[in-house]
Amino acid sequence: DARVTQTPRHKVTEMGQEVTMRCQPILGHNTVFWYRQTMMQGLELLAYFRNRAPLDDSGMPKDRFSAEMPDATLATLKIQPSEPRDSAVYFCAEGTTLYNEQFFGPGTRLTVL
Amino acid sequence: KQEVTQIPAALSVPEGENLVLNCSFTDSAIYNLQWFRQDPGKGLTSLLLIQSSQREQTSGRLNASLDKSSGRSTLYIAASQPGDSATYLCAVGDLGGGSQGNLIFGKGTKLSVKP
Repeated sequence: DARVTQTPRHKVTEMGQEVTMRCQPILGHNTVFWYRQTMMQGLELLAYFRNRAPLDDSGMPKDRFSAEMPDATLATLKIQPSEPRDSAVYFCAEGTTLYNEQFFGPGTRLTVL
Repeated sequence: KQEVTQIPAALSVPEGENLVLNCSFTDSAIYNLQWFRQDPGKGLTSLLLIQSSQREQTSGRLNASLDKSSGRSTLYIAASQPGDSATYLCAVGDLGGGSQGNLIFGKGTKLSVKP
């Protein structure tokens, strides 16, 4: 079973709509990552947080993507407005403090029509 | 910029065979290296984590090695089974740009073990 939970598991939306994806890491692990997986590019880091503070979001298109961690048990990734090229599987992962081993959630499969 | 390459992209073997999956990376300044398994439509399952100071890790039928100086890691699977069929991803924990531990992924090797 995945340690990290993600919702929704699947999302189909129309171009221009806002999309919000949620991730619930296990309390006590202080690093949270957002990745995007596509057939063409594979897995790419979008952003990550340590102790709820954003440390690196250079992989994210700033004009439409935003990532936040309002509390230790919730991280969100928002796309507004969404575009067909955003269609991908979005993974959240948490990293352990000691060795930074990363554990992934099941992902949100996003389709933008 | 760190780049991770996995060869081959796909591999098909008969059940019972021992096999090796290869991973290479361009910058030896790494924090760690992690091997994952991904089943179709599913998330990533961590298999093995090797710290930069280590040379190998073992878990059951899996053994992963790390040679930082040559920029290589291998994942050895002994006595392969049909249940091992999945895509195996290698990821390097990057030290560059102050982003300690960020994982840079290879494109994966899709393994098929035939009964």
